[in-house]
Amino acid sequence: DAKTTQPPSMDCAEGRAANLPCNHSTISGNEYVYWYRQIHSQGPQYIIHGLKNNETNEMASLIITEDRKSSTLILPHATLRDTAVYYCIVRVAHGGSQGNLIFGKGTKLSVKP
Amino acid sequence: NAGVTQTPKFQVLKTGQSMTLQCAQDMNHEYMSWYRQDPGMGLRLIHYSVGAGITDQGEVPNGYNVSRSTTEDFPLRLLSAAPSQTSVYFCASRPGTGNYEQYFGPGTRLTVT
Repeated sequence: DAKTTQPPSMDCAEGRAANLPCNHSTISGNEYVYWYRQIHSQGPQYIIHGLKNNETNEMASLIITEDRKSSTLILPHATLRDTAVYYCIVRVAHGGSQGNLIFGKGTKLSVKP
Repeated sequence: NAGVTQTPKFQVLKTGQSMTLQCAQDMNHEYMSWYRQDPGMGLRLIHYSVGAGITDQGEVPNGYNVSRSTTEDFPLRLLSAAPSQTSVYFCASRPGTGNYEQYFGPGTRLTVT
């Protein structure tokens, strides 16, 4: 599986967009990009995933570059409750039912008032 | 749906004691897994299961046993607790067949003295 690189920490002002980058320069053509977050003391929470097209859901938007070597998770209007560690993971989608999500250290996003 | 449930929420053990952490899901997911998370670190996979009767080891399996007799339940057994097993334990499930939208339980905080 492709390795990901994320900044260890970022700050964002409340109400502004939070843009979290992820580098995955060795990604393969059949690997999806998944984003999870972990709010302090809670279990991780799935946010969004994508292959090559940009994706949007009620939580966030995912922008994947045309060469797929990097992506950005966008929280359009960050709130204090979005303070969490955000994990970017790449994974083959069609590997049967086996396969594990490997969590790195992620980016600690601090949303400040 | 209750999602993924874990019991107990907190547990203190003495070195050498054994215990079982319980995990259950009501989403009929094929795939279940156990992670541990130590302070300031990411999640590390202990064991996983791709269906009833099938289990396999993750990154850090030593000192733990699992079994999967039903689709719903995936207990984690600590055979002889050691202080190095002090951690937060998360159980997770996902549908399988390449779907990595994983759902996590609230965690069990275990202290071994």
